[in-house]
Amino acid sequence: DAMVIQNPRYQVTQFGKPVTLSCSQTLNHNVMYWYQQKSSQAPKLLFHYYDKDFNNEADTPDNFQSRRPNTSFCFLDIRSPGLGDAAMYLCATSRGGGGFRNEQFFGPGTRLTVL
Amino acid sequence: GESVGLHLPTLSVQEGDNSIINCAYSNSASDYFIWYKQESGKGPQFIIDIRSNMDKRQGQRVTVLLNKTVKHLSLQIAATQPGDSAVYFCAETPPGGLIFGSGTRLLVRP
Repeated sequence: DAMVIQNPRYQVTQFGKPVTLSCSQTLNHNVMYWYQQKSSQAPKLLFHYYDKDFNNEADTPDNFQSRRPNTSFCFLDIRSPGLGDAAMYLCATSRGGGGFRNEQFFGPGTRLTVL
Repeated sequence: GESVGLHLPTLSVQEGDNSIINCAYSNSASDYFIWYKQESGKGPQFIIDIRSNMDKRQGQRVTVLLNKTVKHLSLQIAATQPGDSAVYFCAETPPGGLIFGSGTRLLVRP
């Protein structure tokens, strides 16, 4: 089945230690998104790629970076995680065209714990 | 327009009853709206969408109503089932953006 895969499902890191979260998709979608979701809150869009074009949300901290080496994979790098970065990180994909006006397909998320 | 909330509002319904989940959106320029369902430990799942040139759209057991005058969106679930228990988020697309609403937890009583 076509899907969005996130690895690992649970990630523990230390304060200030860089961490990378991974996302892959078999849907061949043009657009990939990264969201941060804290407990009992809505997902918050961090950035997205339309093909290779990177689009950062204005309020996404510089501590968060992303890479998309090819259509299938997208990575979220947190350079110096703080305690406030503990959250669920969701990856999503959608077809291109129409801006955000397309159904997004979400992965199961990676829960990040910062010690 | 950023959603902030420590406590999710909760709607508790009896199995078999209809559920209505409401959402107030923030940007009058938003022209596309989506409802997502998120079960515990999973990513959000698309339920239904509606464009701003419509005021009602129906799916299987679900109906979305859009009132642009008061910037209000609702999701109606007919004959609610235990599997409908989840958190429901609306999302709006203002120009160049996507914003999720704060979410409502739906609990279905057997």
